[in-house]
Amino acid sequence: QKEVEQNSGPLSVPEGAIASLNCTYSDRVSQSFFWYRQYSGKSPELIMSIYSNGDKEDGRFTAQLNKASQYVSLLIRDSQPSDSATYLCAVNRRWGNQGGKLIFGQGTELSVKP
Amino acid sequence: DTAVSQTPKYLVTQMGNDKSIKCEQNLGHDTMYWYKQDSKKFLKIMFSYNNKELIINETVPNRFSPKSPDKAHLNLHINSLELGDSAVYFCASSQGQRGAPQPQHFGDGTRLSIL
Repeated sequence: QKEVEQNSGPLSVPEGAIASLNCTYSDRVSQSFFWYRQYSGKSPELIMSIYSNGDKEDGRFTAQLNKASQYVSLLIRDSQPSDSATYLCAVNRRWGNQGGKLIFGQGTELSVKP
Repeated sequence: DTAVSQTPKYLVTQMGNDKSIKCEQNLGHDTMYWYKQDSKKFLKIMFSYNNKELIINETVPNRFSPKSPDKAHLNLHINSLELGDSAVYFCASSQGQRGAPQPQHFGDGTRLSIL
């Protein structure tokens, strides 16, 4: 079982729709979770972080975390063609007191059609 | 103004050569990382340094040797390059995680191609 799993997609949604991206993780002690967006040929860009169960909203993005189910998701409302990218789920595992180890999923490719 | 900068952006070289990639961050972070992204876009951590001290060393061939002269710099030297080393290498940085884990910020990547 992979430590962090995502549907690789591609996920195709029409412009204006809600895109729903899902991620599950295997390590129950994980405490922090991140969503990165990566455009083709570019570096990962942090778009959301979430640490507590429930929803966290930032503009058109909502991250949802359920630690009991070991599940984290990202909703993108009013999807735009500019949202077309690969979305990487990352789970942070603490490494002593000095740093964390980010474990990435394989990414979900999102395509928003005009 | 760039937060995490890597050089070079592209590196094309022959099998068997030795090469280095440099990374610098001006965010004041005390932790830096090297990641490798393969052709399937899977991003995997290789090394992490905190205040010049190696704290994460994943299962990476010892041909890869990181060096951190100070907390703002983390370089990666690769000896005897092999075809399988072709990938994009990302440097990242974050603040140390004594409190809530802090997000990591990535450089633009170095695209390494082995001929």
